Parts: sequence; structure tokens; C-alpha cells
Amino acid sequence: DAKTTQPPSMDCAEGRAANLPCNHSTISGNEYVYWYRQIHSQGPQYIIHGLKNNETNEMASLIITEDRKSSTLILPHATLRDTAVYYCIVRVEASNTGKLIFGQGTTLQVKP
Amino acid sequence: IAGITQAPTSQILAAGRRMTLRCTQDMRHNAMYWYRQDLGLGLRLIHYSNTAGTTGKGEVPDGYSVSRANTDDFPLTLASAVPSQTSVYFCASSVTGNTQPQHFGDGTRLSIL
Repeated sequence: DAKTTQPPSMDCAEGRAANLPCNHSTISGNEYVYWYRQIHSQGPQYIIHGLKNNETNEMASLIITEDRKSSTLILPHATLRDTAVYYCIVRVEASNTGKLIFGQGTTLQVKP
Repeated sequence: IAGITQAPTSQILAAGRRMTLRCTQDMRHNAMYWYRQDLGLGLRLIHYSNTAGTTGKGEVPDGYSVSRANTDDFPLTLASAVPSQTSVYFCASSVTGNTQPQHFGDGTRLSIL
């Protein structure tokens, strides 16, 4: 599975959009981009995933560049409860184990 | 509420003892997973099961065993606990199909003394 690079930390003002970048320059054509987050002392929580097209759900939007070498997770109106570590993961569709490789992630601090 | 239940939530265990961490899901997911999370190392896959009756080894399987007698339960056993197995253990499940997202429990915090 391709490696991802994320900034170690970011701040965001409450009510503003949080834009979390992820670089995955070695991504292959059959690898999906997933985003999870982990709030302190809880299990990881799935947010969104995509292959080529931009995706939106009730939690967030995922913008994938045309060359698929990077993506951005957007939380449109960040709240204090969005403070968490956010993980960007790329994963091949045909993976036998289903293994998710969690890197160090981005610690997002939403401030009042 | 549907989801994944892990038990116990935390445990302190003497080295050499046997311990089974329980994981139950009520979402009828075929695939289940066990990860451990350690500072600086992220989450690492211990064992997985793509369907009831089958299991496979992840990246750090040594010292752990699993069984999958039915769809809902996926217990993780430490036959003889060692201090290096001190960690937070997460169970996850997903619909079969590798693009499907995994849903995680809230973890078991295990300390081996």
C-alpha cells in the first residue's frame, strides 16, 4: 500500500472549515483514499473514502486531485468535538488481509 | 445500538497468565480484525478473519491466537502474557469487500506486569 504524508498538527477556529491535507504521491490506480479519525481514548472512526471523484457525506468532503497524488479532507464547520487525530490511508482494493496502515496522522485542535 | 463491543475495557495482568479479549459485533459483518496501538507505532494488525471459520495472520501475530466460530464473535487470546504485550487493543469489523470501511470498538487497555 502507498505511503501517506500528513502534517503532524493543525489548529482551526470553531465554526470555520478545517482543511486537512494528505500527500500520497506513490498511489496506484487501484488504491482508494480513506480518512479515519481517533478521538482521545476511543477507537478509530471511519469518515469517508474515495477513488478518483470528490466525495461528500454527512461528516465531511473529500477532494482528490486529478493526478490523485494528494487529497484534502474538509470539515465544513468544525466544532470542539472534532478535535482528534485524523488519519489518511491508501489501500488497495484487492488486499487479502484488509489491513489498514495507520501512519502518525494529523492532530487537529479546534479552538473556541 | 448496533456496533462493536469489546470486553474488558481495561485489565492489569501478571506476566505468564492467559487472557482472552472479547469482541462481539451485531452488524452481521463477515470480516473482523484485531489491532494493537502503541505510542509511536500507530495501529498494527494482529490477526484477521474474512468470514466465520477462517482466520489469518497480520503483521504482529506472535504470542496471539484467534478463533472465529461464528459471525458475531472474534476473541483474541494471549496464551502466556509478556510485558511487551502491554498495549491498547482494538477490534474492528467490516462488510466483506476490501473497499468497505472498518468499524472499530472502543478498545481494551491491557497492562502486563
